[in-house]
Amino acid sequence: GNSVTQMEGPVTLSEEAFLTINCTYTATGYPSLFWYVQYPGEGLQLLLKATKADDKGSNKGFEATYRKETTSFHLEKGSVQVSDSAVYFCALSDSGGATNKLIFGTGTLLAVQP
Amino acid sequence: DAGITQSPRHKVTETGTPVTLRCHQTENHRYMYWYRQDPGHGLRLIHYSYGVKDTDKGEVSDGYSVSRSKTEDFLLTLESATSSQTSVYFCAISVGDPSTDTQYFGPGTRLTVL
Repeated sequence: GNSVTQMEGPVTLSEEAFLTINCTYTATGYPSLFWYVQYPGEGLQLLLKATKADDKGSNKGFEATYRKETTSFHLEKGSVQVSDSAVYFCALSDSGGATNKLIFGTGTLLAVQP
Repeated sequence: DAGITQSPRHKVTETGTPVTLRCHQTENHRYMYWYRQDPGHGLRLIHYSYGVKDTDKGEVSDGYSVSRSKTEDFLLTLESATSSQTSVYFCAISVGDPSTDTQYFGPGTRLTVL
């Protein structure tokens, strides 16, 4: 079945460092891909998404490109801040049934130190 | 903010007792979802609804039931709680066309089963 694999954390970086969180997927068809972020004690928030191959999603300085040839959707940010500390989830849409459903990776904890 | 509230936010209960969690939305969205979040598993879909009285099972539905008697409320019931159901439960809604799969999440309910 469809699945998402993302790098295990925690990822610890200093402020202003470059961030990459790897995400690869297995899917039939052409799913939409998402990154969600969860700040401590809160629910998940959509960070960015891409709906077809070669699309680039971007938001708040984060970017991810839908790479069909490598089945990847890696999250990047050029210069992280302490406020970016959170858990990041990669997800894909899974068609079937009355609605598409999201399949999530296990999450990657990012800790940014001043 | 998609106007989603969950109640209660925290609950401690004993094995074998029934528990009902409530998700309430204020914007009449058709599609609603219940997920559980566990370390090492990310989020997993329990049940979802695609309209009043229309529900279907997700990946981890055993031991859970749901009901949706009106558009704004989606209830998750554990008929006889077990320790394996200790988790954080999130409600979500789809905004717009569900094929785009942008889901918005509530703040979560932390459930502890002793």
